[in-house]
Amino acid sequence: EVQLAESGGGLVQPGGSLRLSCAASGFTFSSYWMSWVRQAPGKGLEWVAHMKEDGSEKYYVDSVKGRFTVSRDNGENSLYLQMSSLRAEDTAVYYCARDLGYCNNGVCHAVFDYWGQGTLVTVSS
Amino acid sequence: AIQMTQSPSSLSASVGDRVTITCRASQGIRNELTWYQQKPGKAPKLLIYAASISQSGIPSRFSGSGSGTDFTLTISSLQPEDFATYHCLQDFSYPLTFGGGTKVEIK
Repeated sequence: EVQLAESGGGLVQPGGSLRLSCAASGFTFSSYWMSWVRQAPGKGLEWVAHMKEDGSEKYYVDSVKGRFTVSRDNGENSLYLQMSSLRAEDTAVYYCARDLGYCNNGVCHAVFDYWGQGTLVTVSS
Repeated sequence: AIQMTQSPSSLSASVGDRVTITCRASQGIRNELTWYQQKPGKAPKLLIYAASISQSGIPSRFSGSGSGTDFTLTISSLQPEDFATYHCLQDFSYPLTFGGGTKVEIK
């Protein structure tokens, strides 16, 4: 059974740092792109970062570029999100999600078929 | 960034109703659109990808259509467990962008 479990959320002051982890099990982690998606309280979903299987490609939403870094340890079956210079607007539930890996006619789609339960990050003084 | 405009933002419907939710992209995205269902306090659930392909295990009452800029999620006969928020996501280009969500409530 595929499982994703986020951890590391909590209360942090503006300007502070936090590292989120996502522990994966039930599938060959090293064969899948992975993403972070967040959801501010009462708001919609916002994609944050996407990372290739071997870590050679990473993509970010503009609002976190230069502040957040996505990484992975395929030996530990884990995905990470290092967050620094945190702002109040980063307050959200952060989900990790697995990319299905659907490709058709040479076009690969970012499709998130499994999600963790989320971890809440609150940025406040 | 490609903007995804979802409509309506909310709707009230009864069990058995046919429900249609639309998502419009600010530029053409071919068929690179996914639909998710989310219930309160839960993670999103994949429904439809590549605009019209149903994820395994999703009831046949859910269907997706569209290409280019205009997309539709249809629930052919609304069931009690379908009351939730629905989100579209374009994966044509980075940054990936979600629509604002559509909350389906009980009438």
